[in-house]
Amino acid sequence: GAVVSQHPSWVICKSGTSVKIECRSLDFQATTMFWYRQFPKQSLMLMATSNEGSKATYEQGVEKDKFLINHASLTLSTLTVTSAHPEDSSFYICSASRGSMNTEAFFGQGTRLTVV
Amino acid sequence: RKEVEQDPGPFNVPEGATVAFNCTYSNSASQSFFWYRQDCRKEPKLLMSVYSSGNEDGRFTAQLNRASQYISLLIRDSKLSDSATYLCVVKDDKIIFGKGTRLHILP
Repeated sequence: GAVVSQHPSWVICKSGTSVKIECRSLDFQATTMFWYRQFPKQSLMLMATSNEGSKATYEQGVEKDKFLINHASLTLSTLTVTSAHPEDSSFYICSASRGSMNTEAFFGQGTRLTVV
Repeated sequence: RKEVEQDPGPFNVPEGATVAFNCTYSNSASQSFFWYRQDCRKEPKLLMSVYSSGNEDGRFTAQLNRASQYISLLIRDSKLSDSATYLCVVKDDKIIFGKGTRLHILP
């Protein structure tokens, strides 16, 4: 099956710094990528949808200036958590889709962010 | 009404039993439906797609009811390894997950 690589798998950073998470589709072109956040014992919450070459669409309540998403190519999307705070500590997962409505989504391994 | 709703459980089921989950969705125009499985601290993995005619894969059967806007997952002869959280997924221009149903298979 298709492979999506997410990096890093875990990161610890100081409060106030920025963290960049990369999501790459390794063997297909992902016209659409999705970013999710999952707090402990909670569900996956969609943060934003990014389409290659255009601005990301953010879900209600997600600050676009805090969570910067760039989808510059068909194989790479990045999420930058700016000025991270302890409450941003979470499990972030990306998903990539070929774009067709009837195709499954492929997931990265996830990034566990801890802000201290 | 939430976009995708599931009973969070947990469902505690003895090994070998049959268990069924339902999931309702609010967007009647949704076209693609999936069941994903998520183990603790791991990424979700596709279990099966859900087709209009229903589909079966081994011990797993998925059904779609468009009129009532729900999908279901049936697991027969449950195994200990089936213990996980099962996520209902509805896809149109974005992918929306249900909160998941936790299943514990008891020995």
